[in-house]
Amino acid sequence: AQSVTQLDSQVPVFEEAPVELRCNYSSSVSVYLFWYVQYPNQGLQLLLKYLSGSTLVKGINGFEAEFNKSQTSFHLRKPSVHISDTAEYFCAVRGGYNKLIFGAGTRLAVHP
Amino acid sequence: GAGVSQSPSNKVTEKGKDVELRCDPISGHTALYWYRQRLGQGLEFLIYFQGNSAPDKSGLPSDRFSAERTGESVSTLTIQRTQQEDSAVYLCASSQGLAGVADTGELFFGEGSRLTVL
Repeated sequence: AQSVTQLDSQVPVFEEAPVELRCNYSSSVSVYLFWYVQYPNQGLQLLLKYLSGSTLVKGINGFEAEFNKSQTSFHLRKPSVHISDTAEYFCAVRGGYNKLIFGAGTRLAVHP
Repeated sequence: GAGVSQSPSNKVTEKGKDVELRCDPISGHTALYWYRQRLGQGLEFLIYFQGNSAPDKSGLPSDRFSAERTGESVSTLTIQRTQQEDSAVYLCASSQGLAGVADTGELFFGEGSRLTVL
């Protein structure tokens, strides 16, 4: 069965600093991976996804993630964060019937 | 509308009452999913619809929870005899449908229905 572990529940960072949000997955089948962002009192918005091809995936708002099969990881990175990046970030793996199986989330808090 | 629409956005109810939550998916999306998000936690899968049938109900937590979908569009999630532990945001998502060459894999989410059981 597929599962996702997000290693950090909260990540505080100063504005303009780089950030990495960690995600590890478990899957016995072909892996499709996603990062979603949830701003306060809003639904989830897709940041980026890995389906196949290049292991470095670029998404919206300057985020990118790298699929590492040997380490079963899909960490999310941004070289310079803004206050507006403060949100909850969820990593997910596709499961049966194409449903997404989510991690517990990482709360990114960007401070001035 | 262009996105997934959910109603009500907020619902406060008393313990033991029944509630219905509605989801209107993106037009043409045949797949529909319900998730539950408890405060400070991730998303728990509840049920999946393909068209009007529900091949995966594995996430429904008890027989107090049920869902239906009519006309390959609107879906209703019903919680009977609500309990305080049912308090959560219930999120609906839709997608194009069965995986294929053109399938992007993306689920499109509504803004959720926040349920508070007193």
